[in-house]
Amino acid sequence: EAQVTQNPRYLITVTGKKLTVTCSQNMNHEYMSWYRQDPGLGLRQIYYSMNVEVTDKGDVPEGYKVSRKEKRNFPLILESPSPNQTSLYFCASSLSPKNYGYTFGSGTRLTVV
Amino acid sequence: AQRVTQPEKLLSVFKGAPVELKCNYSYSGSPELFWYVQYSRQRLQLLLRHISRESIKGFTADLNKGETSFHLKKPFAQEEDSAMYYCALQAAGNKLTFGGGTRVLVKP
Repeated sequence: EAQVTQNPRYLITVTGKKLTVTCSQNMNHEYMSWYRQDPGLGLRQIYYSMNVEVTDKGDVPEGYKVSRKEKRNFPLILESPSPNQTSLYFCASSLSPKNYGYTFGSGTRLTVV
Repeated sequence: AQRVTQPEKLLSVFKGAPVELKCNYSYSGSPELFWYVQYSRQRLQLLLRHISRESIKGFTADLNKGETSFHLKKPFAQEEDSAMYYCALQAAGNKLTFGGGTRVLVKP
């Protein structure tokens, strides 16, 4: 089944403890992206990638890192999480965003205490 | 910088009534616009693309460049249309900007 898979689905962590949220897609999509969803703010783009080793900042990149060493994976790294990064995170991928839009993962609910 | 505005946070309609979700955008280039929908406990999914001029689940959306709008419409709302709807703008460089979302509640 063609899909975007995120892990974990739920995560509670403490301030300052590095964490990684994994994202994998099996559709051979070149484009991948990370979003955070917060009440009243909708979805905001954190980082996006247009191909292997090509990444760029979205609207809210502070406090996050990404890497794209292979086409199928696009992990989101929080080196030193803070409570204001408590949010619902979505990974998405696309063959051609302008023509087909994005396919989204199920989301990762992160709580930083 | 691009911006997408959905002025209504909540729309409550009765089953069978028309529903219109407003979306306004600001962007200096030629926009690519989308509507995404998120049903309860499900992932976000693409509903409509303006370039395809399609009708999905009875919904249509017309791009009005003069008014910089991309409103989503359905003539007869169904209970299964209850969901969160997001308007999104794809800019150059593949940056996708979402509006704040509109929650639609269709009452029986």
